[in-house]
Amino acid sequence: DAGVTQTPRHEVAEKGQTIILKCEPVSGHNDLFWYRQTKIQGLELLSYFRSKSLMEDGGAFKDRFKAEMLNSSFSTLKIQPTEPKDSAVYLCASSLVPGREEYSAETLYFGSGTRLTVL
Amino acid sequence: GDSVTQTEGLVTLTEGLPVMLNCTYQSTYSPFLFWYVQHLNEAPKLLLKSFTDNKRPEHQGFHATLHKSSSSFHLQKSSAQLSDSALYYCALVASSGSWQLIFGSGTQLTVMP
Repeated sequence: DAGVTQTPRHEVAEKGQTIILKCEPVSGHNDLFWYRQTKIQGLELLSYFRSKSLMEDGGAFKDRFKAEMLNSSFSTLKIQPTEPKDSAVYLCASSLVPGREEYSAETLYFGSGTRLTVL
Repeated sequence: GDSVTQTEGLVTLTEGLPVMLNCTYQSTYSPFLFWYVQHLNEAPKLLLKSFTDNKRPEHQGFHATLHKSSSSFHLQKSSAQLSDSALYYCALVASSGSWQLIFGSGTQLTVMP
């Protein structure tokens, strides 16, 4: 089974550049998440889509970070302009929408991430 | 609001000793909790999750018990293995109904020979 696919695996950018990260969720999954991972902050939610609709836009990340989901099988995360403090691993994850049962919750499947270095 | 606290950033222990990684939470409604594990250069993946009937989840020798009285979901294993060295995240399903996960800051477990 194909898992979550993220490209590129590594990205190096100059300060001020625009970069676009890509994600293909698990086929059939309805929820898609973008996280930023750093040693200090751990996993920080950037964006959250349900059935292609933006549910959460990450608050503090709104000004330079923009995630889009043009179809159910592809999402992008644009960072514009990049700053050195954006250096981190960016993880994409997907899951099924949980069932109607109040106490059920579905597993989150993560991609291998994109390691971004901003010089 | 909902939150997850992992007090230990780094845990180092010797192979064969028991493991306990702490996780406490705050949740408006009845909580649903997860442990995710991330080995070096790999994606995080689910290790185990809490059950609604309070059964104790177990996987790969790890288990965790949801204690609502103390708002805890500590991860335990009776005997650590070298291959258990990894980053462990505790996570909570948000009470807001959006089903997004709220992650703790993570605990890096290093098992020494």
